[in-house]
Amino acid sequence: DTEVTQTPKHLVMGMTNKKSLKCEQHMGHRAMYWYKQKAKKPPELMFVYSYEKLSINESVPSRFSPECPNSSLLNLHLHALQPEDSALYLCASSLNAHNPEKLFFGSGTQLSVL
Amino acid sequence: AQKVTQAQTEISVVEKEDVTLDCVYETRDTTYYLFWYKQPPSGELVFLIRRNSFDEQNEISGRYSWNFQKSTSSFNFTITASQVVDSAVYFCALSEARRDDKIIFGKGTRLHILP
Repeated sequence: DTEVTQTPKHLVMGMTNKKSLKCEQHMGHRAMYWYKQKAKKPPELMFVYSYEKLSINESVPSRFSPECPNSSLLNLHLHALQPEDSALYLCASSLNAHNPEKLFFGSGTQLSVL
Repeated sequence: AQKVTQAQTEISVVEKEDVTLDCVYETRDTTYYLFWYKQPPSGELVFLIRRNSFDEQNEISGRYSWNFQKSTSSFNFTITASQVVDSAVYFCALSEARRDDKIIFGKGTRLHILP
């Protein structure tokens, strides 16, 4: 199994809603990542988890709250988002976070905030 | 600061033509890693290659080849005999050994292969 699975694929939410994005991998990878990608832009790193501990937070607003319940799962909790947060949210994993050979990406969650 | 420049925003070529995607990088580190990723319309980024700064050998994988030149800080990607399935956005990326958790992507080149 060389897949990173993200759910849901699409999400529409209002600015007062609370929702969560989910990411799962069963490759035994110990590093997991959240990236945000606006249309026609490159992915931008948001968070890195290494061995289930948050190792990088790229100054992301607190309305985005990551969680890594175990080494296979990564969540991104969303609360009080703004319309400008609409984007493709990509999850990725790698064997480890130190000098990662490669990242495996999921297909993303396309988020629209109304 | 690390930086990746992909000057070609969009390229269109006719199927079976060869095409080269340019990537110029900037870093102060002597140890760094360069990547190419492909993002088809389905959305997921697909890893193509990683090169470390001490390995300047060019690489060929099927119709894909990469030319790494430290003298010009470039890591260019060539597709030979392009196919419609090669249509995608291609990102060049860089990570520095001292900040190796963070992979910085270039802005990407959108490649259209016309039948």
